[in-house]
Amino acid sequence: DADVTQTPRNRITKTGKRIMLECSQTKGHDRMYWYRQDPGLGLRLIYYSFDVKDINKGEISDGYSVSRQAQAKFSLSLESAIPNQTALYFCATSDQDQPQHFGDGTRLSIL
Amino acid sequence: SQQGEEDPQALSIQEGENATMNCSYKTSINNLQWYRQNSGRGLVHLILIRSNEREKHSGRLRVTLDTSKKSSSLLITASRAADTASYFCATVPSGGSNYKLTFGKGTLLTVNP
Repeated sequence: DADVTQTPRNRITKTGKRIMLECSQTKGHDRMYWYRQDPGLGLRLIYYSFDVKDINKGEISDGYSVSRQAQAKFSLSLESAIPNQTALYFCATSDQDQPQHFGDGTRLSIL
Repeated sequence: SQQGEEDPQALSIQEGENATMNCSYKTSINNLQWYRQNSGRGLVHLILIRSNEREKHSGRLRVTLDTSKKSSSLLITASRAADTASYFCATVPSGGSNYKLTFGKGTLLTVNP
């Protein structure tokens, strides 16, 4: 079983819809992250969380929100999806200041 | 904003050859990390080199860091078809923490059997 699991793996939806991407981890890490990856670009940080009560905006948080429901669960929401949010989304975790571990991503297409 | 920039954008070699990828960055760093991404998968951490280190090895991987030139290189020796992947450098700014990674755009490595 994967240590960092993202659901769904693929999603196609329409402009204006609310979407939630979920991430769960079995590694026991305290820190969790959401990134997006666009073709030809590196990963960009959307939000990160140091624990359940500590959530921080990243480089590109506009249009996104997150919820840390438990130490092991961190979800990303798009309240009203728009086409330029079409991207590959990755969740990652880390044990305090150690290197990050990534899930296999969610491919999101917004029509 | 992009901090690391990998070069070349794409590299195609034969199995058994060595592969070298470069990363340049703009501001002072605490450390630089290399990640691999296989097609359709998440990133996997390969190696971390700190600003006071010049070279690190891990198996067939060799990473160098030149802080005066603000550049790093990743060498994969005796490449295998399974090394086919995208490789990303990521930097942590000086005084920063590993949660504040800034990724480059990546080098796509193809190793032909």
